[in-house]
Amino acid sequence: EAQVTQNPRYLITVTGKKLTVTCSQNMNHEYMSWYRQDPGLGLRQIYYSMNVEVTDKGDVPEGYKVSRKEKRNFPLILESPSPNQTSLYFCASSLSDPRGIRHEKLFFGSGTQLSVL
Amino acid sequence: AQTVTQSQPEMSVQEAETVTLSCTYDTSENNYYLFWYKQPPSRQMILVIRQEAYKQQNATENRFSVNFQKAAKSFSLKISDSQLGDTAMYFCAFMIIDQFYFGTGTSLTVIP
Repeated sequence: EAQVTQNPRYLITVTGKKLTVTCSQNMNHEYMSWYRQDPGLGLRQIYYSMNVEVTDKGDVPEGYKVSRKEKRNFPLILESPSPNQTSLYFCASSLSDPRGIRHEKLFFGSGTQLSVL
Repeated sequence: AQTVTQSQPEMSVQEAETVTLSCTYDTSENNYYLFWYKQPPSRQMILVIRQEAYKQQNATENRFSVNFQKAAKSFSLKISDSQLGDTAMYFCAFMIIDQFYFGTGTSLTVIP
C-alpha cells in the first residue's frame, strides 16, 4: 500500500531533550516536506527536499533540522526542543518534475502530536 | 510574499444542502497549482480537489467543485448535497515550484 509513515504519533518530551520524528515513503517520490499545524495558523512549511541530499528552508525552519540521505526517508530533528514547538507535525511527499514545474498531489503522513514541557 | 486567506473560520450547513467555502490568495507568479484538503477528526489530510492555474475550466470531483477566478485570485470550494461525513476542517492551498502555502482553515459542520 502506498503510504507515508510517520513515527511516533504522539510524543511528550521536556525542554532541551533532542528528538527525531521519522518519516518514510514507499512511493519513490522525489519531493518530501515537513509542516507544522497550529490552531488559527493552518499548516506552515518547515523544510522541504527536492531529492536526495537537497534540502531547503520553508517558512518556519528555526529550531529544526532535516536530512535526506536516502530517497525514502526524511527525518525531522529538534536539537533542543522548546515549548513553542509544541504542535501537530505532518510529513508529506509527492512526485515532482525534475524541472520543478509540476507536482502531483501531496501524500500526507498521519501526523505527530508533539508536546514540549 | 505568498499568502492564502480563508475568511470563514467556521461554517455550518444542513445535510443535503449546498455550501461554498471561500479562499483568496496572493502571488505574483503565473504558474501554480491550487488545492483543497479536508482534515476530518482523524487528523488525516485528504485531497479533495486540484486545479492547475493555467486551466480556465473549473475542476470538479463528484459533489465537489471549484470556482477559480484567476484575475481575482479567488478559489472557492462548493460542496453539493452535503453529507455528515463532510464534517471536517478544510484547507485551501497553493503550490509554486517547490513550496506549498496553506490557509488557516475553515471548520465545516454538517447538521443532520
